[in-house]
Amino acid sequence: AQSVTQLDSQVPVFEEAPVELRCNYSSSVSVYLFWYVQYPNQGLQLLLKYLSGSTLVKGINGFEAEFNKSQTSFHLRKPSVHISDTAEYFCAVSPGGTSYGKLTFGQGTILTVHP
Amino acid sequence: SQTIHQWPATLVQPVGSPLSLECTVEGTSNPNLYWYRQAAGRGLQLLFYSVGIGQISSEVPQNLSASRPQDRQFILSSKKLLLSDSGFYLCAWSNYRPGQLAYSNQPQHFGDGTRLSIL
Repeated sequence: AQSVTQLDSQVPVFEEAPVELRCNYSSSVSVYLFWYVQYPNQGLQLLLKYLSGSTLVKGINGFEAEFNKSQTSFHLRKPSVHISDTAEYFCAVSPGGTSYGKLTFGQGTILTVHP
Repeated sequence: SQTIHQWPATLVQPVGSPLSLECTVEGTSNPNLYWYRQAAGRGLQLLFYSVGIGQISSEVPQNLSASRPQDRQFILSSKKLLLSDSGFYLCAWSNYRPGQLAYSNQPQHFGDGTRLSIL
């Protein structure tokens, strides 16, 4: 079984500041990793994914994440945030093999960008 | 391009009433389909998934059921709603490729959700 821990439930930052949203996972098998963003009363939108290869993954809206296998982490970063980045962010994992793509989500991190 | 539709967007139902939420996908064939529930402050929980017509797998025991009467249609139902069924319900799909065993490297794409309030 897999589990995902998002270490911060809320992260307040000022506009144009850098931000890091932390995600740790646990799994007995290799996994695929995802970050999703959810704006109020909307579904989830895929930000980026790590499947294999380079451990630094770039996504939409200027976000990037780094996979660290030894620390079982997949932290999300953005060098300069905008007001429009205010949303809830979810880290998710999916095990390899015939798992039918089932995702296990973290509890979410609410990012609030202040002017 | 592929799109996913969920309806209704919001629903208020009394305890003990039935439920039917519908999800349809366009622009792809034989997708994997998923129902999630998002309760306040509790993240997303996978409820059901389906890899084909009539094939439903339940992840957690509950008061809900799912059906897939057509390739791109996924329905979430209940005969009698409980207060604990309140939440935000999300449908999702992912690509399926015949002969490809490892589905899980395909990202899931989500609908806009249904907010269900039980009174």
